[in-house]
Amino acid sequence: GAVVSQHPSWVICKSGTSVKIECRSLDFQATTMFWYRQFPKQSLMLMATSNEGSKATYEQGVEKDKFLINHASLTLSTLTVTSAHPEDSSFYICSAEPRAGLAGGFRTGELFFGEGSRLTVL
Amino acid sequence: GNSVTQMEGPVTLSEEAFLTINCTYTATGYPSLFWYVQYPGEGLQLLLKATKADDKGSNKGFEATYRKETTSFHLEKGSVQVSDSAVYFCALRSRGNFNKFYFGSGTKLNVKP
Repeated sequence: GAVVSQHPSWVICKSGTSVKIECRSLDFQATTMFWYRQFPKQSLMLMATSNEGSKATYEQGVEKDKFLINHASLTLSTLTVTSAHPEDSSFYICSAEPRAGLAGGFRTGELFFGEGSRLTVL
Repeated sequence: GNSVTQMEGPVTLSEEAFLTINCTYTATGYPSLFWYVQYPGEGLQLLLKATKADDKGSNKGFEATYRKETTSFHLEKGSVQVSDSAVYFCALRSRGNFNKFYFGSGTKLNVKP
């Protein structure tokens, strides 16, 4: 199957600093990537949809200025948590949808997930 | 609207026991249905899927059948192993809103030797 890689897998930062998390599709092109946040013992909350070459679409209640998303190429999306605070500590997961039109198992539009990035803000 | 409801956990079973994790959904149109598994400290992995009514998805001994009449997609396995201990998420993807997946709250499975 397709591989999506996130980096870093964990990061600790001081309150007030900014942290960037990368999401890469390693063996396919992804016009769309999704960023989720997972709280302890809870499900995934969709934060935003990252579209290559255009602005991200944010879900209701997600602060655009705090969670900056950039999708500069067909294989890379980044999430930057700006001026991080302890309440931003969470597990952030990205997923990618292979570009429409590829042959094989991508026709059902599956999502492939990264390993997740655990952010701890002190 | 679209939503997924799955049974609350944790579910604790002994090795070789039968597993059922219930999942029901609400959707506009005819969604695709998925089960994802999350092992400790890892991201989500697709376990199985079904794209239309009466389809059965299967993988690694797990099965789930797309039941349109009961709007359900229950996950089953005949004999669980300790290595199956993980969190299982039921999800749907609506054909009307192709870019969004909707996840259930997850069910944690603990399998004891």
